Amino acid sequence: EDKVVQSPLSLVVHEGDTVTLNCSYEVTNFRSLLWYKQEKKAPTFLFMLTSSGIEKKSGRLSSILDKKELFSILNITATQTGDSAVYLCAVEAEGNTDKLIFGTGTRLQVFP
Amino acid sequence: DTEVTQTPKHLVMGMTNKKSLKCEQHMGHRAMYWYKQKAKKPPELMFVYSYEKLSINESVPSRFSPECPNSSLLNLHLHALQPEDSALYLCASSQGSGLGQPQHFGDGTRLSIL
Repeated sequence: EDKVVQSPLSLVVHEGDTVTLNCSYEVTNFRSLLWYKQEKKAPTFLFMLTSSGIEKKSGRLSSILDKKELFSILNITATQTGDSAVYLCAVEAEGNTDKLIFGTGTRLQVFP
Repeated sequence: DTEVTQTPKHLVMGMTNKKSLKCEQHMGHRAMYWYKQKAKKPPELMFVYSYEKLSINESVPSRFSPECPNSSLLNLHLHALQPEDSALYLCASSQGSGLGQPQHFGDGTRLSIL
């Protein structure tokens, strides 16, 4: 059965800290891995990763995929209180590309 | 605000009521999705429409009935719901099946069944 596991489940840090969120997966015929940020409402798209070893970067956020070890990390540097959210990892499989398999998410709380 | 618009934002209904959730996007996307999300859980896929045709139904009970009147609109008709159906209902869209483009989500409708 396809599955996506995120760790840690929750994380509490102070502003300015750097955090690393983990996502491991077991999916038949992997196609892509996506990261989303969810505050109170819509999950907002952060990154889509399809190739190993290529870092994607957006401001203080970056992510990389390792297709050999079947995991991805999301790094956030110099965290701010506005980074507080649930970060969701989802995987898409070949042949079933409309179905995202989500992990349970990592809840990040950033305190001033 | 997102580019996928959902209405209403909140809905309270009794178990005998009939109501509809609406979703609209004007990004020219050809795939649209309904998800259900319970508190502290990830979104669960319910339905997928691709080019206005239902392509995936994740064994959803018939009290939920999706409809795609055109490529920009997606409805979810609700009838005789149960209290356990209370959840956040999210709509999403993407450029199309198999195109390797991400899904973009609306803000959701928070549904409470009395």
